[in-house]
Amino acid sequence: GAVVSQHPSRVICKSGTSVKIECRSLDFQATTMFWYRQFPKQSLMLMATSNEGSKATYEQGVEKDKFLINHASLTLSTLTVTSAHPEDSSFYICSATFEGGGNQPQHFGDGTRLSIL
Amino acid sequence: DAKTTQPNSMESNEEEPVHLPCNHSTISGTDYIHWYRQLPSQGPEYVIHGLTSNVNNRMASLAIAEDRKSSTLILHRATLRDAAVYYCILRPQAGTALIFGKGTTLSVSS
Repeated sequence: GAVVSQHPSRVICKSGTSVKIECRSLDFQATTMFWYRQFPKQSLMLMATSNEGSKATYEQGVEKDKFLINHASLTLSTLTVTSAHPEDSSFYICSATFEGGGNQPQHFGDGTRLSIL
Repeated sequence: DAKTTQPNSMESNEEEPVHLPCNHSTISGTDYIHWYRQLPSQGPEYVIHGLTSNVNNRMASLAIAEDRKSSTLILHRATLRDAAVYYCILRPQAGTALIFGKGTTLSVSS
């Protein structure tokens, strides 16, 4: 089945550090990729939607200058958390989909647990 | 976005069938019904989806009411590995993001 690889799985770093998270679709070309954030005991919250070669669309309340998204190819999207602070500590999850017709599933990475000290 | 309503939690015993309900009374004609599940500390996993007809795959079955205002995810024989949060989500059109609600936390006992 379709596989999405997310790296790294865990990051622990100091406040003020910028952190980059990669999301790759391994066996299909992802027309659209999504980034979610999940706080403890809560559901996933959509942060942004990105299409290859165009600017990401951010959800209300998500700072685009803080959460930089690059979708350089049909198999790779990156999320950079710039100047991270403790309140940015969360579980970040990427997702990808291929819409070749019909209503295809979204495929998710295993998530990145970000801890800012 | 059309919303879904699911029970907060359900319990099951191993080897027994599990029926997870979902209400979506405001569903539109083009909304697909998607089910995902999330195990602790992992990303969500696709389970099944459908539009009008019942669907079966190796993981589960999806029973969709004739008026499409509700659906039921059926796990035929629950195992301990099926303990997870199950999300029922309506997807209005291809390419749009899945919007997650609180889902149903399924506990499975041996």
